Amino acid sequence: QKEVEQDPGPLSVPEGAIVSLNCTYSNSAFQYFMWYRQYSRKGPELLMYTYSSGNKEDGRFTAQVDKSSKYISLFIRDSQPSDSATYLCAMSAQGAQKLVFGQGTRLTINP
Amino acid sequence: EAQVTQNPRYLITVTGKKLTVTCSQNMNHEYMSWYRQDPGLGLRQIYYSMNVEVTDKGDVPEGYKVSRKEKRNFPLILESPSPNQTSLYFCASSWTPTRTDTQYFGPGTRLTVL
Repeated sequence: QKEVEQDPGPLSVPEGAIVSLNCTYSNSAFQYFMWYRQYSRKGPELLMYTYSSGNKEDGRFTAQVDKSSKYISLFIRDSQPSDSATYLCAMSAQGAQKLVFGQGTRLTINP
Repeated sequence: EAQVTQNPRYLITVTGKKLTVTCSQNMNHEYMSWYRQDPGLGLRQIYYSMNVEVTDKGDVPEGYKVSRKEKRNFPLILESPSPNQTSLYFCASSWTPTRTDTQYFGPGTRLTVL
């Protein structure tokens, strides 16, 4: 079993829709939770970061962490065609020297 | 401008021909790492370095070598490339693995081994 599971999609939604992206994990030591966005032919860029449990909001993006269920989510409100990208979740334990990534979900927002 | 650069961006080579992919960062970061990205498998860490002369294996180190002689550079070496090393490679740097405000990825190197 992989430490981090993420549905690879592809996911296609109309412009303006609310998008929900999710990851599950098995390592209860994970404390740092991140979402990266990767456009085609580009390197990943950090989108959202959460430490431990709870929610974090940044503009149209909301990240949620439920440590009891070992489940994290990224919500995108009022989705735009420019949000079309691959979204990767990543996690790390306290003091760890690496990040563990999910497979990435390919998202397309249709105008 | 803060950035991580990789060279080459694209490379086609043949089995067994040694190659080096260079990675350089201009932010004086201590932590650098290499990942490979394959369809359905996501990003997997190959090697990482906590500082000069300090390197360690990630999840998929077989067939790769690295060195960290200077803080800014972290080359990835494939001594005898094989077709299963055909992949998209990313270098990344930051102060620490979880110091997200200073985390940068390079643009990627697409390697094909025939």
